[in-house]
Parts: sequence; C-alpha cells; structure tokens
Amino acid sequence: EAGVAQSPRYKIIEKRQSVAFWCNPISGHATLYWYQQILGQGPKLLIQFQNNGVVDDSQLPKDRFSAERLKGVDSTLKIQPAKLEDSAVYLCASSLLQGVDEQFFGPGTRLTVL
Amino acid sequence: AQKITQTQPGMFVQEKEAVTLDCTYDTSDPSYGLFWYKQPSSGEMIFLIYQGSYDQQNATEGRYSLNFQKARKSANLVISASQLGDSAMYFCAMRANQAGTALIFGKGTTLSVSS
Repeated sequence: EAGVAQSPRYKIIEKRQSVAFWCNPISGHATLYWYQQILGQGPKLLIQFQNNGVVDDSQLPKDRFSAERLKGVDSTLKIQPAKLEDSAVYLCASSLLQGVDEQFFGPGTRLTVL
Repeated sequence: AQKITQTQPGMFVQEKEAVTLDCTYDTSDPSYGLFWYKQPSSGEMIFLIYQGSYDQQNATEGRYSLNFQKARKSANLVISASQLGDSAMYFCAMRANQAGTALIFGKGTTLSVSS
C-alpha cells in the first residue's frame, strides 16, 4: 500500500512570494490533515478535511493560507504572500475515518522563506 | 483545553539499555487517545504506539511500551534494549475521541543512542 505522498520535498522562496504544496493521501482515506511544524516544536494542525469538506480550520491564518481538497482526494495548501515566520515543515497526514484511528504522515515539505 | 507536556528536551542512553520518555497531558474529555510518534532526521512521522483512555492494560508494541497512569495524567514511553536506529525525535500526542478532532502534539524529546 502506497503511503502519503507530498511534493515538493524542499522549497526556498523569498518573503512575499507565493508557494503551493501538494498532498496525495492513502487511497480510500477520507480524512486529510495539514500540520505545520516549526523547528524545535511539535506539529500543529492547520486544517482538517473530511472528504472534500473542511472540519477544522480554526488555526489556519486565513489572510495568507488557503487549502482545498477537490474531489475528496488530493489536497493543495497555498501560502500567499509568505512571511519569514512561515519557514517550517508542512506535514500532510491521512486517516481512514476521523476518530480513534491512526494517522499516517507523509514525508513533509520543508519550506524556507528568505 | 487540551495540552501535552514533554519536559525532557534531550535524553542520552547507551545501546541495549532501556529508556523512559516522559509525557503528561491535560484534557477534560473523558474519552481520548494517546499516541507516540518517532521522527527521524528524514522528517517523516512514524507511529509507534497507541493507548486509549479506557484501556485496562498498558499498550505494548515490540520494544515499545506505554506506562499509562491515568490518575497522574501521564503516558510515558518505555523503549527497551535501545538500538542506534532509535536515535530520533519522539513526540507524544493526544486526541479526544470525538468527530472532528486532530492530534495535539508535545514539543518532543530528542533521544540519542550511543554504542
């Protein structure tokens, strides 16, 4: 079974530029999560989808971050415009259902904003 | 509000020794799950072990066991017979067992295993 795929693995941009990350969850997984992990900290949830609907985006900085999950499969997370403090690893995870089941994580995208 | 606290920024252990990584949590939900993840330098989060709040016995998975003390709100990870490949960051996480909730992570503990 293929795992969660993410691309790109690394991205370097200058502040005020735009960037987009892509995630392909495990086939059949209805729930998809985007986490932000700043260096030296644990991951923090940005947004959670159930199929193609948003379940929780309370910690998403909506003035600059946006995310979508068209057709309930792949997802894209966008930052526009980027700030220095957005430098982090962006982790995508998926689970079969929301609730007590295990979340499977992708390899992450390491973003550096200069 | 839910919170996970990991007070050990770094731990050092020799090969073949056992090590305990501490985790305390705070929640008002009666039903919740506790998780431990390993994050090697490659960056991927690897699931290690899960403990449900109503589980009567401590969870075990191979060399990993979870010392769950509900009254003290602690969920320490015990790694027996440490190996060099265990060197990584370890995160404790919690989730309330209700729809629409994601994981809340602690700040992590860096484990270094030496030969």
